[in-house]
Amino acid sequence: DIQMTQSPSTLSASVGDRVTITCRASQSIGGWLAWYQQKAGKAPNLLIYKASSLESGVSSRFSGSGSGTEFTLTIGCLQPDDFATYYCQQYSTDPRTFGQGTKVEIK
Amino acid sequence: QVQLQESGPGLVKPSETLSLTCTVSGGSINSYRWTWMRQPPGKGLEWIGYIHNSGRTDYSPSLKTRVTMTLDTSKNQVSLKLSSATAADTAVYYCARESNTPGKTIFDYWGQGVLVTVSS
Repeated sequence: DIQMTQSPSTLSASVGDRVTITCRASQSIGGWLAWYQQKAGKAPNLLIYKASSLESGVSSRFSGSGSGTEFTLTIGCLQPDDFATYYCQQYSTDPRTFGQGTKVEIK
Repeated sequence: QVQLQESGPGLVKPSETLSLTCTVSGGSINSYRWTWMRQPPGKGLEWIGYIHNSGRTDYSPSLKTRVTMTLDTSKNQVSLKLSSATAADTAVYYCARESNTPGKTIFDYWGQGVLVTVSS
């Protein structure tokens, strides 16, 4: 299985901050990476696919980059609605695997 | 608009079989992979496996001896059975559709999730 490792596990930030989350794959996944946002008690919601493609309807504050084994999710100007947990997920091979999550909390 | 709704017992006794159903509305279940995932309280997401309407299945290696997924096209339902349940199976269970768009085979629709607790 491909292992996905996110860092940091928790990130404390303020409204207006620019934040970056890193996701590393245990082997190359090309660009087959997605990012999801999950709020408490809700299902995950797709933000980014193919490493850098913004899902329709998602704010342009969110951007993704990377390829191979290293990827980043950047939130350009943190808004109150952005405090949540973020997961990366590879869809290069089965089984699909997720990172352990990064919780973005209010500083 | 495609909608997914999980249903099933919220409490399962240890050693019994956990059974859940995902009902799909607003779209066909044909030509997609239907995936089950779970999330233990306070933890991350775990992929359990998928079933395709062709009958193809693939299960997580760590769960494959206990997992069975079936699909009922007449009812637009996908089912999950997990046998020999233990407390470690306590989690919110999600069903999700995997998109069949080339290059974008991500989970585009999710159910709201159902909490299943394994306890006597």
